[in-house]
Amino acid sequence: KNEVEQSPQNLTAQEGEFITINCSYSVGISALHWLQQHPGGGIVSLFMLSSGKKKHGRLIATINIQEKHSSLHITASHPRDSAVYICAARMDSNYQLIWGAGTKLIIKP
Amino acid sequence: KAGVTQTPRYLIKTRGQQVTLSCSPISGHRSVSWYQQTPGQGLQFLFEYFSETQRNKGNFPGRFSGRQFSNSRSEMNVSTLELGDSALYLCASSFQGGEKLFFGSGTQLSVL
Repeated sequence: KNEVEQSPQNLTAQEGEFITINCSYSVGISALHWLQQHPGGGIVSLFMLSSGKKKHGRLIATINIQEKHSSLHITASHPRDSAVYICAARMDSNYQLIWGAGTKLIIKP
Repeated sequence: KAGVTQTPRYLIKTRGQQVTLSCSPISGHRSVSWYQQTPGQGLQFLFEYFSETQRNKGNFPGRFSGRQFSNSRSEMNVSTLELGDSALYLCASSFQGGEKLFFGSGTQLSVL
């Protein structure tokens, strides 16, 4: 079993839809990262969370430490949101980042 | 403020050769981590350096090594290249390692 699991693996939605991507982890963590990778390789850090909720524009990230679960939400989705979204958990035992497999999101106009 | 710079951008090598990749972090950042990305395996952690010391290492064979210099620039070396080493190699920097990560554009390595 992977220590960090994302779902769904692939997601296709229509422009304007509310999007939720989930990330579950089985280890003790000090922080959880959400990142975005567009075709071509560039990775951009979206959020780093250790508790609660963070919002940036149309993106919202939440984390529930007790349930070992985090979600990334996109409101009013747009085709430019099409990318791979990756979560990564910073282990509190050795500070290493454990990466999820990524969620490929396609938003159709 | 300049971003994370990786060189070269593309590299073609043959089996058995060795390769050195370079990563210059954002000025002031002391942590540099390296990742291998392949279509089938996603992002795999290679190692992390902080203040010239390897702080963490992933599950890669000893052919993969790295180092960090006093100016925080880091190099990654792969010896005796195998076909399976073909991948996008990414580095990321952060101030001390636990904060927001800033990624370079990567080095696309092809082993023929």
